[in-house]
Amino acid sequence: NAGVTQTPKFQVLKTGQSMTLQCAQDMNHNSMYWYRQDPGMGLRLIYYSASEGTTDKGEVPNGYNVSRLNKREFSLRLESAAPSQTSVYFCASSGWGVRTDTQYFGPGTRLTVL
Amino acid sequence: QQPVQSPQAVILREGEDAVINCSSSKALYSVHWYRQKHGEAPIFLMILLKGGEQKGHDKISASFNEKKQQSSLYLTASQLSYSGTYFCGTEILGNTDKLIFGTGTRLQVFP
Repeated sequence: NAGVTQTPKFQVLKTGQSMTLQCAQDMNHNSMYWYRQDPGMGLRLIYYSASEGTTDKGEVPNGYNVSRLNKREFSLRLESAAPSQTSVYFCASSGWGVRTDTQYFGPGTRLTVL
Repeated sequence: QQPVQSPQAVILREGEDAVINCSSSKALYSVHWYRQKHGEAPIFLMILLKGGEQKGHDKISASFNEKKQQSSLYLTASQLSYSGTYFCGTEILGNTDKLIFGTGTRLQVFP
């Protein structure tokens, strides 16, 4: 069991470039989440997918898009990267929502936008 | 909507106790606690549900005051391994399926 995996682990982009962050889980979880973490700001929810086929905006969705490719995979796309998107991005999954389920986090992607 | 955590930082010696608080302005269904070590992913510690049910760690305890929308995490007889940043995640009533996390409390335990 790999749990939640994320690729890449590190990435440097120039302003205006695009990229997709990949996330996959092998725990047969229904719900998946994307967070960004900035110093002093905690974890802020970007988008989430409560179940396969659905996606919803979180607290800070501007500048991002997501795709729930199948039950296992949930990708995050930056169409035109900006320096303000420099952050650590975490993907997480849970069995079904958060009501009684813990979230399992991936190792993170450290993104720098120059 | 982001819950407020206090204190922002705590410094302890091994064996000392600490309390971390989490307060929300919204009515909550549950509060989750996570710990994150530097450079690593957050890991789950505990869930506290409306109605009093508690799930989680047997060496760390917590409380949830539903009327005040507040939760406290109690770390007793701290160990070096307790060092890290603690986050509360809140599930807001009527806004389920997701957590809103606080800004974190950094805990450092020294020998």
